[in-house]
Amino acid sequence: GDSVTQMEGPVTLSEEAFLTINCTYTATGYPSLFWYVQYPGEGLQLLLKATKADDKGSNKGFEATYRKETTSFHLEKGSVQVSDSAVYFCALGGATNKLIFGTGTLLAVQP
Amino acid sequence: DTEVTQTPKHLVMGMTNKKSLKCEQHMGHRAMYWYKQKAKKPPELMFVYSYEKLSINESVPSRFSPECPNSSLLNLHLHALQPEDSALYLCASSQDLVVLNYGYTFGSGTRLTVV
Repeated sequence: GDSVTQMEGPVTLSEEAFLTINCTYTATGYPSLFWYVQYPGEGLQLLLKATKADDKGSNKGFEATYRKETTSFHLEKGSVQVSDSAVYFCALGGATNKLIFGTGTLLAVQP
Repeated sequence: DTEVTQTPKHLVMGMTNKKSLKCEQHMGHRAMYWYKQKAKKPPELMFVYSYEKLSINESVPSRFSPECPNSSLLNLHLHALQPEDSALYLCASSQDLVVLNYGYTFGSGTRLTVV
């Protein structure tokens, strides 16, 4: 069945460092892919999305490209800030008519 | 209005109490969801409503009872809960059950503690 695999955390970076959080997926058909962010004590917010192969989603300096050949949707940011500290979830929307979430990756950015 | 509003934000209840969680959206979305999230884990799907009818029940114990009074409201009735039911309960909505191109919009959640 459909599934999402995310890199284990926590990821600890210094401010202004480059961020990559890996996400790969298994799905039938052509799923939509999402990154959600959850700040402490809050719900999930949609960060960015891509709905077809080679699409690049971007928002707030974060980017991810839908790579069908490698079944990946890695999240990147060129220069992280302390305010980016949160849990990041990769998710897939496919044939099951529900979002499938990865396990989440905790990002901690130190000043 | 692009928000999903959940009330209350925090709830403490005893194991013999009856309480309800409420969720409201005015985006015209026709699918609504209840999730349970434990600390350091991804959200777990509990129930899905599509066009105000229960579409998916992920084998949730009967002490959790969902209700969808109209297209904008979703309730979760709680009765005789156990301490292990303590968690963050998230409501979400989407344009449609099948159209997932836009993802889900989540509320901020209700932090439930069962004592």
